[in-house]
Amino acid sequence: SQTIHQWPATLVQPVGSPLSLECTVEGTSNPNLYWYRQAAGRGLQLLFYSVGIGQISSEVPQNLSASRPQDRQFILSSKKLLLSDSGFYLCAWTQGGELEQYFGPGTRLTVT
Amino acid sequence: RKEVEQDPGPFNVPEGATVAFNCTYSNSASQSFFWYRQDCRKEPKLLMSVYSSGNEDGRFTAQLNRASQYISLLIRDSKLSDSATYLCVVKGGGFKTIFGAGTRLFVKA
Repeated sequence: SQTIHQWPATLVQPVGSPLSLECTVEGTSNPNLYWYRQAAGRGLQLLFYSVGIGQISSEVPQNLSASRPQDRQFILSSKKLLLSDSGFYLCAWTQGGELEQYFGPGTRLTVT
Repeated sequence: RKEVEQDPGPFNVPEGATVAFNCTYSNSASQSFFWYRQDCRKEPKLLMSVYSSGNEDGRFTAQLNRASQYISLLIRDSKLSDSATYLCVVKGGGFKTIFGAGTRLFVKA
C-alpha cells in the first residue's frame, strides 16, 4: 500500500530564516504531488503541484518555492520566512488519472 | 464570492441525531466533488466522493445538485467519533482543486 511521509512534524523558525520541508511517497511510482498550506481556521490553499521530476507548477506567487529532485520526493523551500508563512503545510498525492488526493501528516510551521 | 462556500458551524448535535451539511460552488464547469474529514490538528482524510446519482456509505450519504451548484452530506445516527471538521472539495479540469474552509461538527453524549 501507499504511504506518504512528511517531516518535520513541527517547526518553529524566526523571521528571515530559510525553510526546507520534505515529502516522500512510498509504494507508487510517478505520482502527482501537491503542496498545500492551511492557515488557522481557513481552507487549504494549493501552493504547488508536480506531475514529474523537475516539473513544478505554482498556483500562488509568494516567497516559497518547490522542487522535485526524485520521482517520489517533493520539497518546499523558502530563502527568507515571513510571519505570514506560518501555517499547516500538507503534502498530497494522486496516482495518474485518479481524482482523490491523499494527504501526508503535515508540518506545523510557526514563524516567530 | 468564494469558489467553495460552507457554513462554518459549529453544529452541536446529540448522539444518534441526523445532521446535514451543504456546500455551494461557483464554477459551473466543476467536474468532481468530494467530502473530506479533518480531525483537530491532523491531515484531511477522504470520506467519500460525490457522484451525480448520489451515493451512500454506511451512515453517510452524499448528494450533488448540479443545477443549483451544491453538494450535501448527510450523517445519520451520529456517533461521538463523528466529531470533526468536514471539508467540501471541488475539482475542475486539470489539477486545480478547491477546498472549502470546513464545517465543524460536535457530537455530544
